[in-house]
Amino acid sequence: NAGVTQTPKFRVLKTGQSMTLLCAQDMNHEYMYWYRQDPGMGLRLIHYSVGEGTTAKGEVPDGYNVSRLKKQNFLLGLESAAPSQTSVYFCASTGTSGGAYYNEQFFGPGTRLTVL
Amino acid sequence: AQSVAQPEDQVNVAEGNPLTVKCTYSVSGNPYLFWYVQYPNRGLQFLLKYITGDNLVKGSYGFEAEFNKSQTSFHLKKPSALVSDSALYFCAVRPFPGNTPLVFGKGTRLSVIA
Repeated sequence: NAGVTQTPKFRVLKTGQSMTLLCAQDMNHEYMYWYRQDPGMGLRLIHYSVGEGTTAKGEVPDGYNVSRLKKQNFLLGLESAAPSQTSVYFCASTGTSGGAYYNEQFFGPGTRLTVL
Repeated sequence: AQSVAQPEDQVNVAEGNPLTVKCTYSVSGNPYLFWYVQYPNRGLQFLLKYITGDNLVKGSYGFEAEFNKSQTSFHLKKPSALVSDSALYFCAVRPFPGNTPLVFGKGTRLSVIA
């Protein structure tokens, strides 16, 4: 199993450009999440999904959109990038076997995004 | 609001000495608590979790954590630190009940000095 994978690993954007980050998991997990990591801030939840076709806002959703058209994929979009969105983005997933609230989240390797 | 606090930004320990990384939580109801480790330029890796039962939880790489309900703490410990334990450590909580995402602390950087 590849686990959780993220594409791309690195990206540099100019202010106002758009892009989509792709997260894929091969563990048949129901729940998927997008976090951003900034120095001294820990991980902050952007959006999450509890199943195919459903999404919900997290702590810092502004400026981002998400879609979960397939169970294994969770896309994070930036419509008009801003320098404040410079960050490392992590995707994670959780299975529901035995109860989702008992289970740990599995993380991808991250995408380092710089907005100039 | 549900939250987790890691009061130390940095912990330094000599190799071979015991280490402790502190975590306190604030949730309503019984919490589910987790520890993760992040090595440079990597994603987070799960170390251990407390759901219920024995207050001392054993996890990966020789780490353990002690749940203390009266002090609302879940400190991470290891009897003998290794240089390879140097990393960023995150405590996280999932409030009970609910299928909610984990809430993370801000992280503690552990440096083990040879």
